[in-house]
Amino acid sequence: DQQVKQNSPSLSVQEGRISILNCDYTNSMFDYFLWYKKYPAEGPTFLISISSIKDKNEDGRFTVFLNKSAKHLSLHIVPSQPGDSAVYFCAAGGSGGYQKVTFGTGTKLQVIP
Amino acid sequence: DTGVSQDPRHKITKRGQNVTFRCDPISEHNRLYWYRQTLGQGPEFLTYFQNEAQLEKSRLLSDRFSAERPKGSFSTLEIQRTEQGDSAMYLCASSFGGSGANVLTFGAGSRLTVL
Repeated sequence: DQQVKQNSPSLSVQEGRISILNCDYTNSMFDYFLWYKKYPAEGPTFLISISSIKDKNEDGRFTVFLNKSAKHLSLHIVPSQPGDSAVYFCAAGGSGGYQKVTFGTGTKLQVIP
Repeated sequence: DTGVSQDPRHKITKRGQNVTFRCDPISEHNRLYWYRQTLGQGPEFLTYFQNEAQLEKSRLLSDRFSAERPKGSFSTLEIQRTEQGDSAMYLCASSFGGSGANVLTFGAGSRLTVL
C-alpha cells in the first residue's frame, strides 16, 4: 500500500527556470509533510516541511504547497540551479503515537545549464 | 556532533551468512529509525526506537532481522541467513521527539550486497 506517491520518476528543467515536483498521498491522518533531497552515495537530507494546517511554506528558493482536499503537495524550486540536480523524496508523518515517516519513490531532477 | 554515522559503509557477503550494521545517532536525538532502500525506490520503513524501546516494526522485517538499541544510544541491525533479496542500502536516521514535524537526519547508509 503506497501511501505517498510520486508519479514522475524524472524531470528535466533549464537552469534559471522553475522546477515543480509533485506528490500525492492517500492517508488523511498525516499531520505534516516533508521534502528530502538525495545525492548519490549520500543519505537523504531534509529540505522543507509543511504542517497539514497550512497551505504554503517558503524557504528561500524552495516553496511547498499543500492542497488537502486533493491530497496533493508540490515543491517549487525557483530559480533552478545545476546543484539542485538530485533525487527528491516526498515524505509524510503523523503525530502523537504515530511517528513513522513514510516516503515516496522519488523524482530525479536534472537541471540543465 | 558529526551527524548520524553508519558502519560499515559497504558489506559484501555470501548468501546464508549473518551481517550486522551499526548506527550512531546524533547524541541529543531520542528517536532512531532504520529504513531500507532499493534501486528506484524510496526509503522503506523497517523499525524505530524511542530511547531504548522498539515501538514499531514493519511487516518487511522478517524474523531474520533484529534490531537493538541498548541504553538508548547506538543501534545495531542484524540480518541472519542473508538472502540475495536482502541486497539494498540500509539507512539509519535519528530525530528529536517534540512537537511539529518529525525531521529525520539520515546517515550515509550501509550498502549490502549478497552474492
